[in-house]
Amino acid sequence: SQTIHQWPATLVQPVGSPLSLECTVEGTSNPNLYWYRQAAGRGLQLLFYSVGIGQISSEVPQNLSASRPQDRQFILSSKKLLLSDSGFYLCAWSGRTVGGYTFGSGTRLTVV
Amino acid sequence: AQSVTQPDIHITVSEGASLELRCNYSYGATPYLFWYVQSPGQGLQLLLKYFSGDTLVQGIKGFEAEFKRSQSSFNLRKPSVHWSDAAEYFCAVGPPYGNKLVFGAGTILRVKS
Repeated sequence: SQTIHQWPATLVQPVGSPLSLECTVEGTSNPNLYWYRQAAGRGLQLLFYSVGIGQISSEVPQNLSASRPQDRQFILSSKKLLLSDSGFYLCAWSGRTVGGYTFGSGTRLTVV
Repeated sequence: AQSVTQPDIHITVSEGASLELRCNYSYGATPYLFWYVQSPGQGLQLLLKYFSGDTLVQGIKGFEAEFKRSQSSFNLRKPSVHWSDAAEYFCAVGPPYGNKLVFGAGTILRVKS
């Protein structure tokens, strides 16, 4: 069966520090991968999605970047965190046909 | 452009009472519709989905949703709410391929005993 792993679960980082969040999927190949951010009371904002290795689409301009170095690995990064980067980050995958998303358990990022 | 509206930010119901969470969407083609639930600090779990066919779909945990094309709605219902249903609920709409779902802002459900 397919599983999705996301880590770390919580992270407290100072302003100006770098960020790396990792997401991996098991049990499937060539998934679509997504990074969402959830700020309090603001629903889910799609940050990046990827349909293949090295193929990244950015949905909103921001202080973050994403990479997909392997088929089932999706990384969210920042060179210098801002206070406004705080939030709950969710990774998700979907297949190539209709089926919706499967979400990871999320990372709570607090920038201090 | 695709959009999803969940008019109710918060809803409070008594345990054992019925529940209906509203969802309205705007989409230029045949919509593929989903409901997700999120417990505090957790990821989202798929409750149910609608692609085609019978407009009343059954999901997990006793939830159901009805697709009404004329009203552009996909409301979530449960006949009798349990305290464990307290969570945030998200409606989403997307295309059949590409799967870039658009989510509503969510409805927080509180259950009082």
